[in-house]
Amino acid sequence: EAGVVQSPRYKIIEKKQPVAFWCNPISGHNTLYWYRQNLGQGPELLIRYENEEAVDDSQLPKDRFSAERLKGVDSTLKIQPAELGDSAVYLCASSLDVGGTGANVLTFGAGSRLTVL
Amino acid sequence: AQKVTQAQTEISVVEKEDVTLDCVYETRDTTYYLFWYKQPPSGELVFLIRRNSFDEQNEISGRYSWNFQKSTSSFNFTITASQVVDSAVYFCALSEAYNTNAGKSTFGDGTTLTVKP
Repeated sequence: EAGVVQSPRYKIIEKKQPVAFWCNPISGHNTLYWYRQNLGQGPELLIRYENEEAVDDSQLPKDRFSAERLKGVDSTLKIQPAELGDSAVYLCASSLDVGGTGANVLTFGAGSRLTVL
Repeated sequence: AQKVTQAQTEISVVEKEDVTLDCVYETRDTTYYLFWYKQPPSGELVFLIRRNSFDEQNEISGRYSWNFQKSTSSFNFTITASQVVDSAVYFCALSEAYNTNAGKSTFGDGTTLTVKP
């Protein structure tokens, strides 16, 4: 069974440029997450989807970040324009939501490492 | 608000030593889930264990064991007879249940374990 697929694995851009990351979750997983992981820190949630609906985007910097999950499957996270502080690893994860109990076990992708120069 | 603290930033042991990784959490909920994930050098976080707040039984899986104590809000992870392949960053995570945070896992900053041959 294929895991969570993310692309690109690495991206280097100049500040003020746009960048987009793509995620294909595990088939059948209705919940999709985008986390940001800074060096030496744990993942921090940016946005969580249940099917097509963004149910938690409180930590997403909406002035420059946007995300979408069309048809409740693949998802794209975009940054425009990128800033130096956006350098991080962007992790996508998916899970099968267990009735809103919080018991979700997350399956992570390999991540997309962004470097902003 | 939910919070996870992993006070040990880095631990280094020699192969075959036992090692315990500490995790302390904060939550106002009485129902919640605790997790441990492993992030090897390749970068992909991998699920190790999930525990719910009503199950304080310790769990053993091979060389891994987990000690959950609600009285001290701790969920510690012990590796017995450590091996070089155990070298990784280990993250503890908390997910509250049945509220707006349900399904949202909050991670600690991780403990980097290095096992030397």
